[in-house]
Amino acid sequence: EVHLLESGGGLVQPGGSLRLSCAASGFTFTSYAMSWVRQAPGKGLEWVSTISASAGSTYYADSVKGRFTISRDNSKNTLYLQMNSLRAEDTAVYYCAKHSGSYWGVDYWGQGTLVTVSS
Amino acid sequence: DIVMTQTPLSLSVTPGQPASISCKSSQSLLHSDGKTYLYWYLQKPGQPPQLLIYEASNRFSGVPDRFSGSGSGTDFTLKISRVEAEDVGVYYCMQSIQLPLTFGGGTKVEIK
Repeated sequence: EVHLLESGGGLVQPGGSLRLSCAASGFTFTSYAMSWVRQAPGKGLEWVSTISASAGSTYYADSVKGRFTISRDNSKNTLYLQMNSLRAEDTAVYYCAKHSGSYWGVDYWGQGTLVTVSS
Repeated sequence: DIVMTQTPLSLSVTPGQPASISCKSSQSLLHSDGKTYLYWYLQKPGQPPQLLIYEASNRFSGVPDRFSGSGSGTDFTLKISRVEAEDVGVYYCMQSIQLPLTFGGGTKVEIK
């Protein structure tokens, strides 16, 4: 059974940093691209970033480019999101998502971790 | 970026009655490989999204057969043949043919 468990969320001041982690199990982690998708309170879903299976390619939404860094440790089956220069508008639940292997389809989502950016 | 437009914004449905949600994309989601890269998700209250339909018309593992997806090109529909109480939540369509992934605004389904 696929399991994705996010951690690292919390309250941070504007301009601060956080590192999110996503521990994956139940599938061959090294074979699949992974993404972060966020959801602001009461709002819809917004793609944040994607990393290829080998970590050779990364992609970012314009809203986070230059501030966030996606990475993965395939030896630990773990996905990361380093978030710097955080802004109030980054407040959201951040979901870790597994791609299906068929283009960019997403088949599994983690439970999410809440990031609140506030003074 | 591909813009995804969902209608209606909300639906109130009597249990046992059908429901239908529309999703339109600003560009064709039909790939040269013959597949159509449109996904449907249900986000139940307080939970992450869960996959219902992939590649426009394929039910994901464990999804009840009352859910069906159809459409091609830029126009898509999710149908629930007989709505049950457990189907409440927000339904999203998502295109996966290119990055950035983009989602419809969501359709909230409630039970009358």
